[in-house]
Amino acid sequence: TQLLEQSPQFLSIQEGENLTVYCNSSSVFSSLQWYRQEPGEGPVLLVTVVTGGEVKKLKRLTFQFGDARKDSSLHITAAQPGDTGLYLCAGADYSGAGSYQLTFGKGTKLSVIP
Amino acid sequence: KAGVTQTPRYLIKTRGQQVTLSCSPISGHRSVSWYQQTPGQGLQFLFEYFSETQRNKGNFPGRFSGRQFSNSRSEMNVSTLELGDSALYLCASRGVGNYGYTFGSGTRLTVV
Repeated sequence: TQLLEQSPQFLSIQEGENLTVYCNSSSVFSSLQWYRQEPGEGPVLLVTVVTGGEVKKLKRLTFQFGDARKDSSLHITAAQPGDTGLYLCAGADYSGAGSYQLTFGKGTKLSVIP
Repeated sequence: KAGVTQTPRYLIKTRGQQVTLSCSPISGHRSVSWYQQTPGQGLQFLFEYFSETQRNKGNFPGRFSGRQFSNSRSEMNVSTLELGDSALYLCASRGVGNYGYTFGSGTRLTVV
């Protein structure tokens, strides 16, 4: 069974601070995705990283995929209250014929205080 | 374009009953997956359907089943409900060649 460990589980910071969320596994994933979920809603895809060592930037968010494709990080610069939410990483495991399933970490609950 | 639509949004059922949840994927998406989300276990994969065929199944008991119709709409059924089945059930669809899923808002099932 593949597991994804996310840390920290909870994070409460002041507006304007920087933060990093980590996602680690002992398994290799074909790709890794990051989602953000707000209360009462489904997760929304932020980014997919596919290549080991890949770095993607989305405005103030920077995503990195480890060289061995087992871990990933999400760095937020100058956090804003609108960044508040549950951040989930998910590893994709391909089963063949285009099918795959996602293994999710348990998430990091981020609160950005104005 | 319209997103993934799940109905109903909320449901309260009694232990022992059965329930059917519905999901309409994004138009053109043929892959539909279902996930269960609970505070303790997080999101756990239930099953994936593509072109009316179940391609993948997670580690859930046989009480959990699903199906997909020719228009890609999907339903999942849980029979003989238990208290532990209380959860947010999420449906997600994916287009061919896409890595990421688009999730619906979920159905919040409470078993009393």
